[in-house]
Amino acid sequence: NAGVTQTPKFRILKIGQSMTLQCTQDMNHNYMYWYRQDPGMGLKLIYYSVGAGITDKGEVPNGYNVSRSTTEDFPLRLELAAPSQTSVYFCASRTRVGGYTFGSGTRLTVV
Amino acid sequence: GQQLNQSPQSMFIQEGEDVSMNCTSSSIFNTWLWYKQDPGEGPVLLIALYKAGELTSNGRLTAQFGITRKDSFLNISASIPSDVGIYFCAGQVLIQGAQKLVFGQGTRLTINP
Repeated sequence: NAGVTQTPKFRILKIGQSMTLQCTQDMNHNYMYWYRQDPGMGLKLIYYSVGAGITDKGEVPNGYNVSRSTTEDFPLRLELAAPSQTSVYFCASRTRVGGYTFGSGTRLTVV
Repeated sequence: GQQLNQSPQSMFIQEGEDVSMNCTSSSIFNTWLWYKQDPGEGPVLLIALYKAGELTSNGRLTAQFGITRKDSFLNISASIPSDVGIYFCAGQVLIQGAQKLVFGQGTRLTINP
């Protein structure tokens, strides 16, 4: 099993550009999450989804959007990238009662 | 919102020493999790705690879920070089009908051989 796969691993964006961070899991998990990790800090929840077609805001949703059209995919969209969005982004998934499985992250720099 | 205070922020120890780190909060959590993060990787689960007072071991790692449900500690015995990394505590809580994780700031462990 691949687990949680994130692409790309690295990206540099110019201010005002947009991009989509991809996240795919092959474990048939209903719950999926997007976190951001700033240097020297823990992870903060951006958006989450409890199943296909259902998404909700986390702690720091501003500047981001998500969609969940399938169980497997949970892309994170950045519109009008800002320097404050420079961070490492992690996607995670879990079953209803199981532990979280994290992807290896996307390191994003906005210049 | 819920916040976790993790300490210490960093530790510099000699190989073979024992390590102890903890997390505290003013909020109650129904699950405590401890993760390790290696450079360039996502967090990997070390130990999960589901009941207040629970003491769980995983090899050289031992963690406890505090009786008040507001704190947890992680001990690593006889540290080895591969223990180097950042350790995060995370508390799971039901918010707006969904289980969510709240993370501590991390403890960076450095080991001198």
